[in-house]
Amino acid sequence: DGGITQSPKYLFRKEGQNVTLSCEQNLNHDAMYWYRQDPGQGLRLIYYSQIVNDFQKGDIAEGYSVSREKKESFPLTVTSAQKNPTAFYLCASSNWAEGVYEQYFGPGTRLTVT
Amino acid sequence: AQKITQTQPGMFVQEKEAVTLDCTYDTSDPSYGLFWYKQPSSGEMIFLIYQGSYDQQNATEGRYSLNFQKARKSANLVISASQLGDSAMYFCAMREVNRGTGAQKLVFGQGTRLTINP
Repeated sequence: DGGITQSPKYLFRKEGQNVTLSCEQNLNHDAMYWYRQDPGQGLRLIYYSQIVNDFQKGDIAEGYSVSREKKESFPLTVTSAQKNPTAFYLCASSNWAEGVYEQYFGPGTRLTVT
Repeated sequence: AQKITQTQPGMFVQEKEAVTLDCTYDTSDPSYGLFWYKQPSSGEMIFLIYQGSYDQQNATEGRYSLNFQKARKSANLVISASQLGDSAMYFCAMREVNRGTGAQKLVFGQGTRLTINP
């Protein structure tokens, strides 16, 4: 089945460590996105990529980094510079072609940093 | 910059009643798209319905309909005959296009937590 996978579902890290969240899609979508969600809040865009080897900062990019070396993969690294990294992270993809409007989401990764 | 506003942090509705979740938006672009997503406690985001700015009719998908009032810049979600499984967070979102790069992204509202009581 086509879809987006994020692993792991739960991730625990010590403060000061970098951590990389995985996002893979087999939908052949060009665009991929990373969002952060805090409890009871909406989604905030961290980074997005429209094509391979290109990405743009979203609204809250500080303390995060991404790469887009393959069309199907868009890993997110939460660096030690991110002051409050504990959150729920959602990856999404889309193909904004004519008649296709939906942004598909992965199941998310809950990151806890202590 | 575009903006999405959901003014109802929480809604409580009796099972089988209809419910309307409010969403207003702000944009200067003539072409835009509006989305509603459902997020159960598991965290997954489930696409519900889409309305394009040039669509003449309100979008409908099963028990979901979108009450699109362009002049008022509102895109309220209507759920008919609510069910216990409708209890979740609901997010309104708008597609934003970077005129320079053509890059597209979604801007989300803060969400409304809907609770269906038996």
